[in-house]
Amino acid sequence: DTAVSQTPKYLVTQMGNDKSIKCEQNLGHDTMYWYKQDSKKFLKIMFSYNNKELIINETVPNRFSPKSPDKAHLNLHINSLELGDSAVYFCASSQDRDRPSYTFGSGTRLTVV
Amino acid sequence: GDSVTQMEGPVTLSEEAFLTINCTYTATGYPSLFWYVQYPGEGLQLLLKATKADDKGSNKGFEATYRKETTSFHLEKGSVQVSDSAVYFCALGGTGANSKLTFGKGITLSVRP
Repeated sequence: DTAVSQTPKYLVTQMGNDKSIKCEQNLGHDTMYWYKQDSKKFLKIMFSYNNKELIINETVPNRFSPKSPDKAHLNLHINSLELGDSAVYFCASSQDRDRPSYTFGSGTRLTVV
Repeated sequence: GDSVTQMEGPVTLSEEAFLTINCTYTATGYPSLFWYVQYPGEGLQLLLKATKADDKGSNKGFEATYRKETTSFHLEKGSVQVSDSAVYFCALGGTGANSKLTFGKGITLSVRP
């Protein structure tokens, strides 16, 4: 299946831990994104990468570090997790063109306890 | 910067009622416009999109028309079903490699039998 896939789907961890979320797309897209959805369902972009190069870096704590080993993968590493990091994190991708469409993964629900 | 404003929710309707969800936007240039749907416990799915003024996007009985003069992209459906219960997000997309999706706050629709 062609898609954007994220792992894990659920992640429960204690404050202070370090965790990673992985994302892979097999759509041949050039740009990948991380979005955060808070408890009120609001979606906000965190990062975008185009062909492994960081393009967008919104106001996100330094504890969040994206890594793109190749253009099909964009992982999100979070250090020293805090309660406020609890959210659903969505990976997405789009093709390089004038008016791209965006395909989303199914999300990772992170709960920090 | 770019922004999207959706009507306040939640919205509760009876089955077969007519649905309108308002969405207006502020953007530089001529963005693409999208409606995404999030069913309970699931990820984001593209419902429909329009890439230029006067375009009408349609899918699953839902429609929205890109109105440049009123900067709007209202979502409509003539007869809602219980299975349409979900959160609906209006979004605008930029152009080119540095584009991103900017979302509205989302609105929860509940359809009762």
